Amino acid sequence: NAGVTQTPKFQVLKTGQSMTLQCAQDMNHEYMSWYRQDPGMGLRLIHYSVGAGITDQGEVPNGYNVSRSTTEDFPLRLLSAAPSQTSVYFCASRSGTGIYNEQFFGPGTRLTVL
Amino acid sequence: AQKVTQAQTEISVVEKEDVTLDCVYETRDTTYYLFWYKQPPSGELVFLIRRNSFDEQNEISGRYSWNFQKSTSSFNFTITASQVVDSAVYFCALSEAGTGRRALTFGSGTRLQVQP
Repeated sequence: NAGVTQTPKFQVLKTGQSMTLQCAQDMNHEYMSWYRQDPGMGLRLIHYSVGAGITDQGEVPNGYNVSRSTTEDFPLRLLSAAPSQTSVYFCASRSGTGIYNEQFFGPGTRLTVL
Repeated sequence: AQKVTQAQTEISVVEKEDVTLDCVYETRDTTYYLFWYKQPPSGELVFLIRRNSFDEQNEISGRYSWNFQKSTSSFNFTITASQVVDSAVYFCALSEAGTGRRALTFGSGTRLQVQP
């Protein structure tokens, strides 16, 4: 199993550009989520999904869109990048059977918006 | 709403010292789960431990130990005889059973520097 994979690892954008951060998992997990990590603030939840076709907002959803057409994939879209979106982005997944289950994190995407 | 506070922003110790990282949480749920993650300089998040709200037993794993006290809403992490490889940012996190979203609320992290 590859676990949770994220692409790209690094990305530089100009203000106003759009892009999609990819996230995939091969563990058949129902739950997937996106976090951003900023210095001194820990990780904050952007969007999450409890299954294919179901998504919802987290703490900091503005400027981001998500969709979940398959169990495996949960892409995060930046429609018009802003410097405030410079951050490290982590995707995570977990099994829905048992609320105690561990979250598995991807390796992260470091995004810089100029 | 849930909240996790890690008041220690940065701790510096000399190798072989013991160090305790504090974590205080707030939640209205009676069923919740607490986690610790390690983020080494390479950037990935490494799962260390989870504990549910009904299990207040302390846990020891090698040089690591965790002290969970519901009375003070704390879930502290102690590293005994620290080593340079322990240098990392450590995050405490909370997951509530009642929200249904199964996501984590993280503290702001504690950066631990272990000097040789």
